[in-house]
Amino acid sequence: DSGVTQTPKHLITATGQRVTLRCSPRSGDLSVYWYQQSLDQGLQFLIQYYNGEERAKGNILERFSAQQFPDLHSELNLSSLELGDSALYFCASSSRAGGTGELFFGEGSRLTVL
Amino acid sequence: GNSVTQMEGPVTLSEEAFLTINCTYTATGYPSLFWYVQYPGEGLQLLLKATKADDKGSNKGFEATYRKETTSFHLEKGSVQVSDSAVYFCALSDRFGNEKLTFGTGTRLTIIP
Repeated sequence: DSGVTQTPKHLITATGQRVTLRCSPRSGDLSVYWYQQSLDQGLQFLIQYYNGEERAKGNILERFSAQQFPDLHSELNLSSLELGDSALYFCASSSRAGGTGELFFGEGSRLTVL
Repeated sequence: GNSVTQMEGPVTLSEEAFLTINCTYTATGYPSLFWYVQYPGEGLQLLLKATKADDKGSNKGFEATYRKETTSFHLEKGSVQVSDSAVYFCALSDRFGNEKLTFGTGTRLTIIP
């Protein structure tokens, strides 16, 4: 158990809909990362937050947004969903803003868009 | 930009066989290198890491050496077990930047008893 909790584990929805994925980092970790894992593109970095502030941005679509709350949990919002958004979305956390590269991953939220 | 190229899978081996999974990278500066493992139904977890050239990371019988001259970080294990069946990801991070990792595509390993 990594200590990172993600909900929901599975989600099935329709094209055009909006969903929210939630992540609770390990106790005391200030950094939260979101990654998308799909069959055709592998594991892609989406976005990082550190102590409530956006720290780094990767290949995140404009239809997607995220935030980190004062209690350090994070949410990833996916809107106007398309079939290609079907993927496994991972949250990871670390105690630092940068440098060690050791991330602790949750078990992921599997999104299926029909 | 940074990139990681990983040996294509899937790889199937018999128990007690020798394992090598190749990984090469492209990066500016002096990245740190990692191997992460993903067991079925679980998230990724760090297997081993190396932060500078010639460092050897090791864990659970797995080893990888940071080779700057060949920009490689190949994963090896002398005798694999059925429990090693998983997907293995090579990754790098910009040592002086944010902690975001650039991952390879992953190599699925299956060990047959």
